[in-house]
Amino acid sequence: EVQLVESGGGLVQPGGSLRLSCTASGFTSSNFQMSWVRQAPGKGLEWVANINQDGSQRFYVDSVKGRFTISRDNAKNSLYLQMNSLRAEDTAVYYCARDRQCYIWGQGTMVTVSS
Amino acid sequence: DVVMTQSPLSLPVTLGQPASISCRSSQSLVYSDGNTYLNWFQQRPGQSPRRLINKVSNRDSGVPDRFSGSGSGTDFTLKISRVEAEDVGVYYCMQGTHWPLTFGGGTKVEIK
Repeated sequence: EVQLVESGGGLVQPGGSLRLSCTASGFTSSNFQMSWVRQAPGKGLEWVANINQDGSQRFYVDSVKGRFTISRDNAKNSLYLQMNSLRAEDTAVYYCARDRQCYIWGQGTMVTVSS
Repeated sequence: DVVMTQSPLSLPVTLGQPASISCRSSQSLVYSDGNTYLNWFQQRPGQSPRRLINKVSNRDSGVPDRFSGSGSGTDFTLKISRVEAEDVGVYYCMQGTHWPLTFGGGTKVEIK
């Protein structure tokens, strides 16, 4: 079964850091671009970042540039999102999704930024 | 950035009746390879989003044929031929042509 499982969410203070992980199973993730998408409580979907198959190209939404870093470890079929200098407005469920067109989604992991 | 504008925001529908959601982009979504990367997603209450339609009109695997997508350039439509109870949720369009990728604001489909 094709599946994505996110982990690493939690409560963090403003200015703090968190690293999210996404593990893929049922397919070879190295064959696909991967994306992170977030959804603030009660709000719509917002694309956050994308990485190509070998990690040589990365794209970000302006609001996270310089603070978030997307990376991957193809040997581990894993995708990561390093989040630094977190703000209250980063509070959201973070989903990983397969490929640029977001075909397969994980169940999401909740990130809460609050003092 | 490409702005994706969906309408209506809310769509009350009678069971068995059709429903239509509009999505307009602020610029053409035709990519350099000739494809138009416009996707539709369904998010049922309490669930992760699920992609229904890719490249304007291609239904993803397992998606009922009552869902159809159409459009071109900057104007796109998702239609449900006969709404069923399981179709309740929020529907989003997303353009995958230009960076940053962008979503529409969502349309909430509910049963009258």
